[in-house]
Amino acid sequence: GAVVSQHPSWVICKSGTSVKIECRSLDFQATTMFWYRQFPKQSLMLMATSNEGSKATYEQGVEKDKFLINHASLTLSTLTVTSAHPEDSSFYICSARDWGLGNTEAFFGQGTRLTVV
Amino acid sequence: AQTVTQSQPEMSVQEAETVTLSCTYDTSESDYYLFWYKQPPSRQMILVIRQEAYKQQNATENRFSVNFQKAAKSFSLKISDSQLGDAAMYFCAYRQAGTALIFGKGTTLSVSS
Repeated sequence: GAVVSQHPSWVICKSGTSVKIECRSLDFQATTMFWYRQFPKQSLMLMATSNEGSKATYEQGVEKDKFLINHASLTLSTLTVTSAHPEDSSFYICSARDWGLGNTEAFFGQGTRLTVV
Repeated sequence: AQTVTQSQPEMSVQEAETVTLSCTYDTSESDYYLFWYKQPPSRQMILVIRQEAYKQQNATENRFSVNFQKAAKSFSLKISDSQLGDAAMYFCAYRQAGTALIFGKGTTLSVSS
């Protein structure tokens, strides 16, 4: 199946700094990618939908100025957590769909564990 | 808005036995997709099985099968001949064409030998 690579796998940063997480589709083009957030032992909550060449669509309650999403190419979407605070510590997962496979299965990155100290 | 409900936070099964995980969903749409994902301790999301709503036949993937009841909006997962490697968190998910997945809260499955 298609591969989605997410980097870094884990990151520790200081409060007030910014962190960028990359999500790449390695062997297919992804016009749309999705960013999720997951707290321990909880479900995946959709944060935003990233569209190549246009602005991301954020879910209600997600601060678009804090979670900046850029989808500048068909294979790369980035999530930047700006002015990070300890409450932003979480597991972030991206997902992309290979439209060439008939709009069915979504492929997930391995996730990024963010710890803000 | 569409919702997905998993009413079993935790389930347990013995090796070689069969276990069924429950999932219900709410939607007014007629065309959609349903999925079961497995999330092991590594936290990598793994697709277990998918079902297109327009298909009446229940999907099957080796030891995994679903019981899809469209009228009742129910989508349960049956795991046969359970193995230690099946221990994980299982998420039921729903989506329509072109939209993101909506996940249930998950069921943690433990498998004992």
